[in-house]
Amino acid sequence: DAGVTQSPTHLIKTRGQQVTLRCSPKSGHDTVSWYQQALGQGPQFIFQYYEEEERQRGNFPDRFSGHQFPNYSSELNVNALLLGDSALYLCASSTLTLGANVLTFGAGSRLTVL
Amino acid sequence: QKEVEQDPGPLSVPEGAIVSLNCTYSNSAFQYFMWYRQYSRKGPELLMYTYSSGNKEDGRFTAQVDKSSKYISLFIRDSQPSDSATYLCAMLNSNYQLIWGAGTKLIIKP
Repeated sequence: DAGVTQSPTHLIKTRGQQVTLRCSPKSGHDTVSWYQQALGQGPQFIFQYYEEEERQRGNFPDRFSGHQFPNYSSELNVNALLLGDSALYLCASSTLTLGANVLTFGAGSRLTVL
Repeated sequence: QKEVEQDPGPLSVPEGAIVSLNCTYSNSAFQYFMWYRQYSRKGPELLMYTYSSGNKEDGRFTAQVDKSSKYISLFIRDSQPSDSATYLCAMLNSNYQLIWGAGTKLIIKP
């Protein structure tokens, strides 16, 4: 049973560029959340998608946007990259029947902005 | 002040020791308390979750919640080198969003 898969695992961008990160949730999960984890910090909630709509959003600017597809997979887009966007981006999936606190995380996409 | 405070460590103990990891929080509305383990280059993995106050045991792991003190703990008995990881506490707020501590890096020396 595949868990949460994320791609790419690593990528390097320059300031001002745009990036798209992808996530496939665990089989049976229908809710996808995205987190940003800076080095030495806990994850920070970016947003959550359910039924192809953004349901909740954390304190992140509009440069961060996302999408969920009918097969529950999801994308995170970041525009106009800043140096401070360098971080590990984590995707987590869940399902309402398990509860919002039971998340399965992927290994993350490590973004470096130069 | 952060909503959830956690000592970043590192905490280094010999194999077989009992480990105590702790978090404090400021929001009395938190009801669900989680502990995640994160190995290097991996995503966090849910270890245990507890609702409200009390203790919960799962094998070598025990989670404790003291809501009156706004203090939660994770105890690891008979610690093993494979327990070496970063341990993150997380709490569910009223919007069903997880609020995380910064994580404590734990090193178990063989």
